[in-house]
Amino acid sequence: SQELEQSPQSLIVQEGKNLTINCTSSKTLYGLYWYKQKYGEGLIFLMMLQKGGEEKSHEKITAKLDEKKQQSSLHITASQPSHAGIYLCVRSGGGSNYKLTFGKGTLLTVNP
Amino acid sequence: NAGVTQTPKFQVLKTGQSMTLQCAQDMNHNSMYWYRQDPGMGLRLIYYSASEGTTDKGEVPNGYNVSRLNKREFSLRLESAAPSQTSVYFCASSELWGPYEQYFGPGTRLTVT
Repeated sequence: SQELEQSPQSLIVQEGKNLTINCTSSKTLYGLYWYKQKYGEGLIFLMMLQKGGEEKSHEKITAKLDEKKQQSSLHITASQPSHAGIYLCVRSGGGSNYKLTFGKGTLLTVNP
Repeated sequence: NAGVTQTPKFQVLKTGQSMTLQCAQDMNHNSMYWYRQDPGMGLRLIYYSASEGTTDKGEVPNGYNVSRLNKREFSLRLESAAPSQTSVYFCASSELWGPYEQYFGPGTRLTVT
């Protein structure tokens, strides 16, 4: 089974609506990253969470980490067309293993 | 400041041909990575270089070789391309090997026929 499960796989929202993307790991979360990818382009770093209960915000995007549940969520407030793209949750290994494991992504479409 | 650059952007190869994907970063980063992205799958690590002079295998190294030419450049070579290597290849770099943000290049779309 997939080590990182993202839900939903795809999401269509109307501009101005709020939305949440979830990420669940089957392994301990030592570090969790969120990246965004636009079709045909490279990945853009959004946020990194390292401690249980940690919450970070950047503009209208907020990410939280629940270490005990091995889950993270990404919340977008008042979505805009510029938020459209693929959101990827990414897990870092533990100890000195910093290799990244990527989720399959959530495709977000924001209709004007 | 270009960040991470990759060449070429697109490439079509015939089975058995060889080629090298080039990657360079201008951020003075110590660590560099090569990933491949396939439909329906997350990015997978092919090889990485934690620091200049070192390279290590990732999750899917078979069929590939790498060279850390200097601190700036990290190349990926396909010696004998196979259709299974059709993919989008991304190079990335980070300041150090550790819990650091990785900066990604725009990708190389490779098709092997």
